[in-house]
Amino acid sequence: GQQLNQSPQSMFIQEGEDVSMNCTSSSIFNTWLWYKQEPGEGPVLLIALYKAGELTSNGRLTAQFGITRKDSFLNISASIPSDVGIYFCAGHPDTDKLIFGTGTRLQVFP
Amino acid sequence: GAVVSQHPSRVICKSGTSVKIECRSLDFQATTMFWYRQFPKQSLMLMATSNEGSKATYEQGVEKDKFLINHASLTLSTLTVTSAHPEDSSFYICSARRLAGHSSTDTQYFGPGTRLTVL
Repeated sequence: GQQLNQSPQSMFIQEGEDVSMNCTSSSIFNTWLWYKQEPGEGPVLLIALYKAGELTSNGRLTAQFGITRKDSFLNISASIPSDVGIYFCAGHPDTDKLIFGTGTRLQVFP
Repeated sequence: GAVVSQHPSRVICKSGTSVKIECRSLDFQATTMFWYRQFPKQSLMLMATSNEGSKATYEQGVEKDKFLINHASLTLSTLTVTSAHPEDSSFYICSARRLAGHSSTDTQYFGPGTRLTVL
């Protein structure tokens, strides 16, 4: 079946550093979404991308929908301790279904 | 906003019993809701798509007789884990799709999840 691979699997950074993570697919996706999940909670939508090449920001977060429609990246600038969590990419292939990536676990040290 | 609630937030039950989990969209109507399962340190895996007024669509490998889904209204879907066993212990998360009038911008909003532990 379709899979979304995220890298890196985990990151340990110092407060203030910039973060970059990406998501790749073996097939084309029509929508790319980035979610953050904190322990014991459901995922919260951060950014939604609907067009190939689209670059969208939400505060310190920036995400792009790859031109090939098979990848996306998420950048976090000037990280802070509350950025800690698991970041998931997700996408709609060609149906209502939402396929989730493998996740990137972010740890920020003060 | 678009708020989705789940109840209970956590449940512990004995092996062989059935457990019902509710998912509600609090401030919008959702013709479609989704149920996911997440094992520790893993991603969310779609179990089934719940459509209001019709039968749920289950993903490959998910037993429909074990995971009963009912979507009786536009704001409520329930997942019943029947005859639960320890291997069913997991984090169950629902989402509700809010219609924006254009399919490419419809957004899924997630509930806070239900932690099920089967002893």
